[in-house]
Amino acid sequence: AQSVTQPDIHITVSEGASLELRCNYSYGATPYLFWYVQSPGQGLQLLLKYFSGDTLVQGIKGFEAEFKRSQSSFNLRKPSVHWSDAAEYFCAVGEYDAGKSTFGDGTTLTVKP
Amino acid sequence: EPEVTQTPSHQVTQMGQEVILRCVPISNHLYFYWYRQILGQKVEFLVSFYNNEISEKSEIFDDQFSVERPDGSNFTLKIRSTKLEDSAMYFCASSIVGSGYTFGSGTRLTVV
Repeated sequence: AQSVTQPDIHITVSEGASLELRCNYSYGATPYLFWYVQSPGQGLQLLLKYFSGDTLVQGIKGFEAEFKRSQSSFNLRKPSVHWSDAAEYFCAVGEYDAGKSTFGDGTTLTVKP
Repeated sequence: EPEVTQTPSHQVTQMGQEVILRCVPISNHLYFYWYRQILGQKVEFLVSFYNNEISEKSEIFDDQFSVERPDGSNFTLKIRSTKLEDSAMYFCASSIVGSGYTFGSGTRLTVV
């Protein structure tokens, strides 16, 4: 069975600082990995995805993530956070790109002025 | 940019009543899903649908739940006899191979 762990429930960073959100997954085969963002009262928006190939993937809004098979990780990064990035972030793993996804518990990002 | 549209945005229903949540997926997408998120909890998979049939469902998706694509554009989730614990945000999503999901903005279901 697949699972996702997001170790940080809540992270606070200052505007302009760098950000890294952690994600560890458990899956026997090559995983399909996703990061989503959810603003309060809104749906989930896909930030980026990894299916194969280059392990560093670029997404929307200046986010990137790196797939590290040896560490079973898919951490999300942004070099300079903006106040509008405050939201909840979910990592997810799937068996294939159009299959069921299993989501982590989410990390709430607060941005200090 | 194409969107997944969900209606209504908020539904209040009495326990034991039937509810139908509606979704219009992106027109060229072939895979459809329902997920739910109980307040403060993680997003949980309910069901996936492809080629006019359920391709996978979770343990949550028991006999009180059903899905339908009645007319080639809508995708509905029916809950036959709602319980208090069905109160949650229900998200519809659609995808094509290689795209990842596009989620709708959700229907907040409140069972009283």
